[in-house]
Parts: sequence; structure tokens; C-alpha cells
Amino acid sequence: DARVTQTPRHKVTEMGQEVTMRCQPILGHNTVFWYRQTMMQGLELLAYFRNRAPLDDSGMPKDRFSAEMPDATLATLKIQPSEPRDSAVYFCASGLVRSPLHFGNGTRLTVT
Amino acid sequence: GIQVEQSPPDLILQEGANSTLRCNFSDSVNNLQWFHQNPWGQLINLFYIPSGTKQNGRLSATTVATERYSLLYISSSQTTDSGVYFCAVRVQGAQKLVFGQGTRLTINP
Repeated sequence: DARVTQTPRHKVTEMGQEVTMRCQPILGHNTVFWYRQTMMQGLELLAYFRNRAPLDDSGMPKDRFSAEMPDATLATLKIQPSEPRDSAVYFCASGLVRSPLHFGNGTRLTVT
Repeated sequence: GIQVEQSPPDLILQEGANSTLRCNFSDSVNNLQWFHQNPWGQLINLFYIPSGTKQNGRLSATTVATERYSLLYISSSQTTDSGVYFCAVRVQGAQKLVFGQGTRLTINP
């Protein structure tokens, strides 16, 4: 079964440190999404890409978050500097237009 | 933006019981998915069902797009069905999925 792969699964870091999360979408999928899940806000969209081009990153705090797709097999989400309020589970998802989205297992981030 | 409301927020049942979860949405959609988030946090695709009815084993789903709701049926519940069930929709002309707040299902042995 093809699946979306996210690394790392868990990350614990101190406030102020840079955090990089990686995602390998399913081969052939041309849309990639980053979602964040917290108890208070639920699942919220941070950014999405189509054919590697960023189409919407309005959900991201621009001063500290950045999302890129250096190539079709890799998407990254960076936080610099990290803050305790960034603690959450970050999901990557991929799909094709007008087809179901498939989610990775997430990266659980804890910022102390 | 579109509103997605799921009910009930919490549901506690005994093993073997049947359940119906509901998802209401406030605008026309061209994509609706049901997910199960298991106790390990994984989001598992259950159904891609913008309209009509689908069945997969003990689970089935129906979406009535004209009336803006979808139902997820779980029959003969098992303890492994426990977790949070999310409905997510995509508005026509947009790409992103908007999630409801979920229904937390607990199946007791």
C-alpha cells in the first residue's frame, strides 16, 4: 500500500530552536497539505501545494513558519524559532485533484 | 467559510451495538471524506463519499449532498472501533479539506 511518510514521528525541543518536519507524499500525487491538530483548535490547515507551487499558506504564522517543496518527493515544514504554543501534531496529506486525501502518521512536536 | 458540524460529540456504547454519526455542512461540496483517528493518532481513510451510499464491511456511509449532510453507520461495534471519527469536506472550487470537530466513540467490552 502506498502511503504518506512523515519524519520524525516525535520531536521534543527547547523554545527558540529550529524544527524541521519532512513529508514524502504518495508517488504521483500532485497536491500536498500540511495540517496541525491541537485539542483546542482541532485540525486546521497550515499550507497546501499543487504541482509543488504554494497555493495557500494563509493558515501559517508567517514570521516563524515556512513550507516548501524542494522536489515532488519531499515537502518540508520549518518552525524558527519554535515556541511552546507550537506544540501539536503536524500532519501531511497528499492527493490528486477531485480524489481522497491520504494522511501520514503525523509528527508529534513538543516545545518546552 | 464553510461550517462542518458533527454530532454527537461523544458516544459511549457496549460492544455489539450499532451507531449513527452525523455530519452537517453549510455549503455545496464536491468532496466528503470520513476518517477514523485511532488511539495512536493515525487518521485512517474510511470513505470518500461526495454523494450516494457506500459500504465497507460493518461500516457504511450515505451523503445527501442536496440536503448537506452525511451519515456514518457502524454496525456490531467492536472495541477496536473506538477513537474519533472526523468528517471533512471540500467546497466546490477550493482544494482544502475542512474538518468537523469529530465524534469521540468509546466501545466498552
